[in-house]
Amino acid sequence: DAGVIQSPRHEVTEMGQEVTLRCKPISGHDYLFWYRQTMMRGLELLIYFNNNVPIDDSGMPEDRFSAKMPNASFSTLKIQPSEPRDSAVYFCASSRKTGSGYTFGSGTRLTVV
Amino acid sequence: QQQVKQSPQSLIVQKGGISIINCAYENTAFDYFPWYQQFPGKGPALLIAIRPDVSEKKEGRFTISFNKSAKQFSLHIMDSQPGDSATYFCAASNPGSARQLTFGSGTQLTVLP
Repeated sequence: DAGVIQSPRHEVTEMGQEVTLRCKPISGHDYLFWYRQTMMRGLELLIYFNNNVPIDDSGMPEDRFSAKMPNASFSTLKIQPSEPRDSAVYFCASSRKTGSGYTFGSGTRLTVV
Repeated sequence: QQQVKQSPQSLIVQKGGISIINCAYENTAFDYFPWYQQFPGKGPALLIAIRPDVSEKKEGRFTISFNKSAKQFSLHIMDSQPGDSATYFCAASNPGSARQLTFGSGTQLTVLP
């Protein structure tokens, strides 16, 4: 199993540009989570899906952030327009229904200049 | 009530010593307590986990001690090695939230050779 795959690994963009982060969860995992990690705020849950359906997006900072999961093997997190304060490492994680623990991807380091 | 408080923020230990990281929680509905290990440039990885029906779980050099009455749990790393140098996160979840994990703020462990 290749684990949770995220792309790109690094993204540098200018303020105001649209950014799309991608995630491929582990096959058979029913839950997918998007986290943001910063030094100041640690690991923050942004949104999670169950069977491709968004369940809780209360952690999404504002309307500039959106996430989709069109099928069981793919999810995107989009920021439009991006701002310097969005600079962080964004992690995708997936888990089985039984909740035996998350498997995280390697993350996308986003820098907005 | 969803918070998990973790201490210390950073820890320096000599090779061969014991590393101890502590976490405390308020939500008595939590019933799953994992620890994650994160190396630079990587996503957090599940290290060891415990459920509140036992007071201790050991896997190799890593032990979780759990005190249900005090609502505290801790990670002990015996015979600490330089390769253990990483950031450690405690977490907790309850059955009513799709196993959504609440993470502690993290402890940066440095093991000196």
